[in-house]
Amino acid sequence: DGGITQSPKYLFRKEGQNVTLSCEQNLNHDAMYWYRQDPGQGLRLIYYSQIVNDFQKGDIAEGYSVSREKKESFPLTVTSAQKNPTAFYLCASSNIDNSPLHFGNGTRLTVT
Amino acid sequence: RKEVEQDPGPFNVPEGATVAFNCTYSNSASQSFFWYRQDCRKEPKLLMSVYSSGNEDGRFTAQLNRASQYISLLIRDSKLSDSATYLCVVNWGGGADGLTFGKGTHLIIQP
Repeated sequence: DGGITQSPKYLFRKEGQNVTLSCEQNLNHDAMYWYRQDPGQGLRLIYYSQIVNDFQKGDIAEGYSVSREKKESFPLTVTSAQKNPTAFYLCASSNIDNSPLHFGNGTRLTVT
Repeated sequence: RKEVEQDPGPFNVPEGATVAFNCTYSNSASQSFFWYRQDCRKEPKLLMSVYSSGNEDGRFTAQLNRASQYISLLIRDSKLSDSATYLCVVNWGGGADGLTFGKGTHLIIQP
């Protein structure tokens, strides 16, 4: 079955450590996205990529980094520079047109 | 400024009732519109796309009013399982930075 997979589902880290969240899709979508969702808030765009080896900053890119070495994969690194990293992180993919997004099941990151 | 506004609710509705809520958007050039459903602590899932002519999928009807810049979602014969947060998404076109999510409307269906 085609889909988009995020791992792990829950992640706990100590403050000051970098952490990488995985996102893989087999939908053959060109575009991939990372969003962050905080309680009672809407989704906010962190980074997106429309083609391999290219990506763009979203509204809240500070403290995050990404790579797009393969079409299927778009990992997100939460660095120690991110001031409030505890959140629900959602990866999504879509075709590059007005198609809707397909979301992974999310990673809930807790930093203490 | 590109904004998408939704009434956060919660809307408390008895099972079997009909419920409707709207989503307003600020940019008249918006090109595509979607409703997503998000259950507590889960990812958003596409409920339906919204077309200019309006569209229906079972108990759900979505409509677009370009003149007044809003989309609506109507749920008939509501079920307990319809309890969720409903997110409105508007695409201004041209890539990911054209997508804007509303903060969602929380719906609670009561037995």
